[in-house]
Amino acid sequence: GAGVSQTPSNKVTEKGKYVELRCDPISGHTALYWYRQSLGQGPEFLIYFQGTGAADDSGLPNDRFFAVRPEGSVSTLKIQRTERGDSAVYLCASSLTAGRTDTQYFGPGTRLTVL
Amino acid sequence: KQEVTQIPAALSVPEGENLVLNCSFTDSAIYNLQWFRQDPGKGLTSLLLIQSSQREQTSGRLNASLDKSSGRSTLYIAASQPGDSATYLCAADSGTYKYIFGTGTRLKVLA
Repeated sequence: GAGVSQTPSNKVTEKGKYVELRCDPISGHTALYWYRQSLGQGPEFLIYFQGTGAADDSGLPNDRFFAVRPEGSVSTLKIQRTERGDSAVYLCASSLTAGRTDTQYFGPGTRLTVL
Repeated sequence: KQEVTQIPAALSVPEGENLVLNCSFTDSAIYNLQWFRQDPGKGLTSLLLIQSSQREQTSGRLNASLDKSSGRSTLYIAASQPGDSATYLCAADSGTYKYIFGTGTRLKVLA
């Protein structure tokens, strides 16, 4: 079956622009997670959805970052007024539920470069 | 606040060698710990998930152990192969549904 997909795979933008990153989770997975990975670092949690609602958005760095999952499937991470420090790989993961034994399956990521 | 550390940061071994990757965490109250593999430019692939009630998990040539009391987990790779070359990440779930990741160990297995 299809895994987690993310589009675009690469995004280059200019400082101050708005970007949207998309995540298609595995069909039937109710939990969806966004992480950000800077060069040489492990992924850092941004936000977690259970169904349509954001259950935990404590990792979003500031109010320029926002994510939605309106129908409980596809999610979009939105970044306003991008800054050079936002450059990173943005990873999406999904799991069947948010249960303790549920593996998180990761997508290939979107590499964002802010010039 | 949970912090996860991985040592060494990089490791280079000859093919066929058995090796151990280390992961330590500061808060022993974890629900599970997961080991991932990441290839350059790719996402993460789950290798093994150990629940807090378990001591170890095995899959093929991989064995992961968990010692909550000492705040440590190890990933043992037997008979390493060049195809094992990748970055290995451990991640702890402290009950908040979000993983806290280490910075990874970059493994290179020489043919």
